[in-house]
Amino acid sequence: QSVLTQPPSVSGAPGQRVTISCTGSSSNIGAGYDVHWYQQLPGTAPKLLIYGNSHRPSGVPDRFSGSKSGTSASLAITGLQAEDEADYYCQSYDSSLSGSVFGGGTKLTVL
Amino acid sequence: QLQLQESGPGLVKPSETLSLTCTVSGSSISTTDYYWGWIRQPPGKGLEWIGNIYYKGSTYYNPSLKSRVTISVDTSKSQFSLELSSVTAADTSVYYCARTANYYDSSGYRTQLDYWGRGTLVTVSS
Repeated sequence: QSVLTQPPSVSGAPGQRVTISCTGSSSNIGAGYDVHWYQQLPGTAPKLLIYGNSHRPSGVPDRFSGSKSGTSASLAITGLQAEDEADYYCQSYDSSLSGSVFGGGTKLTVL
Repeated sequence: QLQLQESGPGLVKPSETLSLTCTVSGSSISTTDYYWGWIRQPPGKGLEWIGNIYYKGSTYYNPSLKSRVTISVDTSKSQFSLELSSVTAADTSVYYCARTANYYDSSGYRTQLDYWGRGTLVTVSS
């Protein structure tokens, strides 16, 4: 059971927009700690996609965006492409653990 | 460009100790702005934070693993290491090392894992 809650799967057709939610609690997201998002392509290590709730590292397309409100955060992907098919994880800092907590991951299928 | 590389045995017997090392290149391990950490992922499952270490040696462990985990650092070799004792089949996972932010900027406290190793599969089996 992951500390952060994500839907197990989402899907969308090429060109469409999808969102992935991430819900935490008062010791992590609700305490004001940032949410970060990672993309994991099959057989590879996770890659930082969004940091600080809404910032994109260099090289990440602006089709990816993030937001946070209260104890939840969301990742939005617009203009879906076949190459976006991957697992997506949210992560935050948890004060009760003094360390990182992850969501269970969401598998994105591009139809 | 910062790179992290995990190394260690790919097969460990039950009840023994799993030992992995992460070698950091392209940037100093002795930085005040980052922790160095371990994360694992069982086959087909999600990510689990194991623990972090600061270059001066202070450590932070996941309470669920704390009794079995030791993370250490060797700044002279630019390496940090993971030991997990009394392993069982449930510890079979891909183990990743990663750099974790630990600094404040104008927007707040930064905690993202910005660089990851490729990961190494460790199987616990007799």
